[in-house]
Amino acid sequence: ILNVEQSPQSLHVQEGDSTNFTCSFPSSNFYALHWYRWETAKSPEALFVMTLNGDEKKKGRISATLNTKEGYSYLYIKGSQPEDSATYLCAFSGSARQLTFGSGTQLTVLP
Amino acid sequence: DAGVIQSPRHEVTEMGQEVTLRCKPISGHNSLFWYRQTMMRGLELLIYFNNNVPIDDSGMPEDRFSAKMPNASFSTLKIQPSEPRDSAVYFCASKYETGGSEQFFGPGTRLTVL
Repeated sequence: ILNVEQSPQSLHVQEGDSTNFTCSFPSSNFYALHWYRWETAKSPEALFVMTLNGDEKKKGRISATLNTKEGYSYLYIKGSQPEDSATYLCAFSGSARQLTFGSGTQLTVLP
Repeated sequence: DAGVIQSPRHEVTEMGQEVTLRCKPISGHNSLFWYRQTMMRGLELLIYFNNNVPIDDSGMPEDRFSAKMPNASFSTLKIQPSEPRDSAVYFCASKYETGGSEQFFGPGTRLTVL
């Protein structure tokens, strides 16, 4: 059983604050690490797919880093906005196909 | 592209009834995944197909669950007989198999078994 853990479980921040959360995953047999954004009553939407140690990806105010040797990834949101409120899921892939999801970090951005 | 299409979006049924969930993957994608989302267990992979062939069904809870992919554009997940503990949101996702590529999720089917 693969252990993919995310912390914190939930987070409340004020609009304009920057925030970050963590995903830890097995450091062996790594293939890819995915980040998804999941809004209530919608389906998960891919943010990033990261495959190389040291990878850093950015999309607007959201960025992510990857350390495959120690088995963690950080997701950063700069200047949080209420529309950033969602659950952020990471998923570990040890093969080209299967994803094991973490339980997510639920972010609430207060106006 | 319309994205991954799932039907029905909501299903309410009585215990013991057969339930069939349907999924149409994105055209050109050759891998398809069925997930179940519950409060207790989060998002769990049930089964995935590659080129219409089931590759790993170790996540299927028990024999009451079965999945088929008769062609590249259609898959079903069947529960027979259904039980209240099967109540969950069932997601279908597809991807093009190039390794490292993202999965695209459908809108999900919310199943309630009374």
